[in-house]
Amino acid sequence: QPALTQPASVSGSPGQSITISCTGTTSDIGGYNFVSWYQQYPGKAPKLLIYDVSKRPSGVSNRFSGSKSGNTASLTISGLQAEDETDYYCSSYTSSTTWVFGGGTKVTVL
Amino acid sequence: EVHLVESGGGLVKPGESLRLSCVGSGFIFTDAWLSWVRQAPGKGLEWVARLKSIASGGTVDSAAPVTGRFTLSRDDSKNTLFLQMNSLKTEDTAVYYCVWMARAGGLYFDNWGQGTLVTVSS
Repeated sequence: QPALTQPASVSGSPGQSITISCTGTTSDIGGYNFVSWYQQYPGKAPKLLIYDVSKRPSGVSNRFSGSKSGNTASLTISGLQAEDETDYYCSSYTSSTTWVFGGGTKVTVL
Repeated sequence: EVHLVESGGGLVKPGESLRLSCVGSGFIFTDAWLSWVRQAPGKGLEWVARLKSIASGGTVDSAAPVTGRFTLSRDDSKNTLFLQMNSLKTEDTAVYYCVWMARAGGLYFDNWGQGTLVTVSS
């Protein structure tokens, strides 16, 4: 059972914005601003999309943005495109000096 | 360009051992904090363990399901990270990714290898 809770699927039409939630506890998301998001295409390694809750690595589209409120982090994809259809995972550092992931969210572009 | 290449995966029986290797290039391996992250077939990501650089103490942190069974080590002269997996269980079946935690503080999984598949089955 994943430590962080994500919706199994989220969908939207091209051009729309969607938000993926990621809920943890005070021992992980709520206790630290060390939240990250990863994008993974089938058969490929994950790619870092967001770190420090809301920062984007060089080269990541500004259509991806992150935020956090309490024990819940969120990833928003603006201007949804067909290429955004894939799996997304959240992750957080924890008070036990470990890392936890969410179960993943499949984004479908209608 | 950063490259991480894992090897050593394969089919083993429950209770057996396996050692994975990961060769890194394109960055200063000696300074690198490195992790293994696994993904069971059709499932999500799971952090396995992290090894700090020798200069940072070379300490290892690991996830509860593998603590006491899996050991991380490194040979900086060969730019290689190892994952020694003992007493393997069927639930250890997964693709194992080697990851460089490149950013300051070693808190994020920045650069990933292509993964190597470990199958534990009788």
